[in-house]
Amino acid sequence: EPEVTQTPSHQVTQMGQEVILRCVPISNHLYFYWYRQILGQKVEFLVSFYNNEISEKSEIFDDQFSVERPDGSNFTLKIRSTKLEDSAMYFCASSELQGARGYTFGSGTRLTVV
Amino acid sequence: GENVEQHPSTLSVQEGDSAVIKCTYSDSASNYFPWYKQELGKGPQLIIDIRSNVGEKKDQRIAVTLNKTAKHFSLHITETQPEDSAVYFCAANKVDDMRFGAGTRLTVKP
Repeated sequence: EPEVTQTPSHQVTQMGQEVILRCVPISNHLYFYWYRQILGQKVEFLVSFYNNEISEKSEIFDDQFSVERPDGSNFTLKIRSTKLEDSAMYFCASSELQGARGYTFGSGTRLTVV
Repeated sequence: GENVEQHPSTLSVQEGDSAVIKCTYSDSASNYFPWYKQELGKGPQLIIDIRSNVGEKKDQRIAVTLNKTAKHFSLHITETQPEDSAVYFCAANKVDDMRFGAGTRLTVKP
């Protein structure tokens, strides 16, 4: 079964630092997403990405965040100047077709800002 | 934007009983409604989905119903087993924007 791979599984960073979370989507998928889940809370949409550009973003995804597909396989989420409240699980997901089938999620990166 | 409400937040059933989780959505443009199961330490996994042109869908012990007029949809799990214990999320999707409900923690007691 194809998987979405996320690295690292756990990242600890100092407040104010920048972090890059990495994802390798399923190879034939064209749509990519980032979600976050604060401990014990709902899964929140951050951003969707298609054809090398952002197609939708939520109110959470402000100037602190950026996404990039630097090569044919990786999809990254950069968080600049991290805050304590950025601590959460960050999930990457990909889908083959737009809205046609459920997304495949990675196992997540647990970000802890101290 | 889309707002998805999910109830109950916790649900405890005896093994073999049925479990029902209900969701409502606000945006009539949403047309795809997946359900995800999340086990501890893992990402959400799709278990069943339904499109807005279908009223009901079944896959073995799980079924989903959709009422477009009322903007609500439900997950039904029959003959529950301990391995069904997890957090279940409903979601509503339009175009490229999928929003999740707050989740239901289901506990199946042996």
